[in-house]
Amino acid sequence: GENVEQHPSTLSVQEGDSAVIKCTYSDSASNYFPWYKQELGKRPQLIIDIRSNVGEKKDQRIAVTLNKTAKHFSLHITETQPEDSAVYFCAASADGNFGNEKLTFGTGTRLTIIP
Amino acid sequence: DAMVIQNPRYQVTQFGKPVTLSCSQTLNHNVMYWYQQKSSQAPKLLFHYYDKDFNNEADTPDNFQSRRPNTSFCFLDIRSPGLGDAAMYLCATSRITGGANTEAFFGQGTRLTVV
Repeated sequence: GENVEQHPSTLSVQEGDSAVIKCTYSDSASNYFPWYKQELGKRPQLIIDIRSNVGEKKDQRIAVTLNKTAKHFSLHITETQPEDSAVYFCAASADGNFGNEKLTFGTGTRLTIIP
Repeated sequence: DAMVIQNPRYQVTQFGKPVTLSCSQTLNHNVMYWYQQKSSQAPKLLFHYYDKDFNNEADTPDNFQSRRPNTSFCFLDIRSPGLGDAAMYLCATSRITGGANTEAFFGQGTRLTVV
């Protein structure tokens, strides 16, 4: 089955600086890679996702890059703000067949923005 | 409007006493997931349904069962809760369209306490 590793587990960044979180996956069939943000005591919420047919996707201060050959993808947050402080999870899934459609999460990164 | 609704939000059960957690969705999604999330850890997939097809994770204890009587509802049954089963249980849904998975929406979760 799919195995998703995520680094670093904790990250502290000065407000205004950039933050980068990296994930690797094991299943070459995976083709959908979402990133979730979870604030304390709340549900995970999607912030950006990417499919394997593109290498990069951007949404304002957030971007995700994907290297399918190397099986890794990264989240980039620029001009960080205090409200970016949360736990971020990467995830991976494949097409819907034989159970591969399941969403497997990485281990999470606790991001702290220092004012 | 809440799209994935979990009940109850908080559940206290006695050691060994069966408990059922419920999840309903208004999104008409064909995939429903149950995750277990312990403090400061990633959501751990217990099982998921793709339509009526049930997929059990290999390391999900036999103590955990699930039912999906229709598209909208899914239940998690814990037959004999132990202290180690205390956690947040998250239900999520997604839609597979043309074989491709899409954003997963999470419920607010049920925090289970075992006494």
